[in-house]
Parts: sequence; C-alpha cells; structure tokens
Amino acid sequence: AQSVTQLDSQVPVFEEAPVELRCNYSSSVSVYLFWYVQYPNQGLQLLLKYLSGSTLVESINGFEAEFNKSQTSFHLRKPSVHISDTAEYFCAVSDRVSQGGKLIFGQGTELSVKP
Amino acid sequence: DAGVIQSPRHEVTEMGQEVTLRCKPISGHNSLFWYRQTMMRGLELLIYFNNNVPIDDSGMPEDRFSAKMPNASFSTLKIQPSEPRDSAVYFCASSFYPAGGVLTFGAGSRLTVL
Repeated sequence: AQSVTQLDSQVPVFEEAPVELRCNYSSSVSVYLFWYVQYPNQGLQLLLKYLSGSTLVESINGFEAEFNKSQTSFHLRKPSVHISDTAEYFCAVSDRVSQGGKLIFGQGTELSVKP
Repeated sequence: DAGVIQSPRHEVTEMGQEVTLRCKPISGHNSLFWYRQTMMRGLELLIYFNNNVPIDDSGMPEDRFSAKMPNASFSTLKIQPSEPRDSAVYFCASSFYPAGGVLTFGAGSRLTVL
C-alpha cells in the first residue's frame, strides 16, 4: 500500500518570495507521483506529474518538482510566487502496477500568498 | 467537453434521509472515482470503477454507502440512511485508463446532514 505525507499544513509566504511545499511518500512498489491544486470551491486540477524519465518536472505556471527516490520525496517549488497561487496543494501517489488506477492523496498544504 | 458534471452542488438534509449524488464523467473516459473530502480526514478514495465495473470499494465507510455505474456516462453515490458525520464534499473524477493517475475532477457536491 502507498501513503503520502505532506509535512506542512499551512505555508504563508509573501508575493515574489520562493516557496517549497514538502511531500514524502511510502510505497513497496514503483510509483507515479503528482501534485494537484485546488482553488476555493473548486475541484482538484493536475499541476504536474512524474511518470518516468527526467526526475525534474515542470508545470506551465512556473512550479517544478523533483523526484528523489532515495529520500522518497517529491517536493514542489516555485522561485517567485504570485497572489494567484493561493490555493491548497495536494501531493498524490499511485502504483505502477495498477497503472495509476488508484490515486492516494496527502492531507494537503494550504499556500497563502500575501501582498 | 463540459468536464465532469456533478449534481447537486449543495445538499442539506436531515439525519436518516437518503442522499443520492450524481456524476457524469467526461465522454470517452473509462475510469471513474468517488472521493470524500473533510477537514479531519482530507481526501479519501471511496470507490473506483474501470469500464463500469467496481474495482476497489475498500474505502466505502460502511454499508450505508453504495455506488453504481450503470453505464459509461453516469454514476451515483447513495447514502442511506445519512448521518451528520457524512457531512463532507464528495468529488467525482474520471480518467482514461491506464491514465497514470491523471484525473479530471468535478466541482464537488457539498453535503450537510443536520
């Protein structure tokens, strides 16, 4: 079975500052890793994913995450945040055996960007 | 495509009543998931279907919960009888299996049981 731990429940940050949202996972098999974002009163949206290949993956709005197998981590980073990045961010894992059929989410990290 | 459509968006009911939540997945998607989100427990996978067949319902809390997918374009999650602890936001999501975990979520159904 897989599990995901997001180490920070809330991260307040000022606009244009860098941010890192931490995620660790546990699994006995190879995994796929994801970050989803949830804006207020909306469903979750895929932000970025690691399936294979390069361990550094990027989103279209400047976020990036790096898969670190030895540390079982998939931290999310952005060098300069905007007010519009305020949202809740979820790290998720699925196992390669089921080819992503079952997605397990972390508890979420609330990112609050202040002007 | 209009995305994953859930109804109702908000439901307020009294304890003991039956609640039915509905979901229309994206056309062409063959996997459907029901998640529940609460402050205390976060996002929990309740059940998922591949090609209309339930694959894993280990997350369904108890016998009061049931889910069906009679065809590729419709699914229901039913709670009977409802209890205050069932109050949560219920999300439906769909994907094209094998999707590698790329799910498209609906906007959610917020259930309040008084």
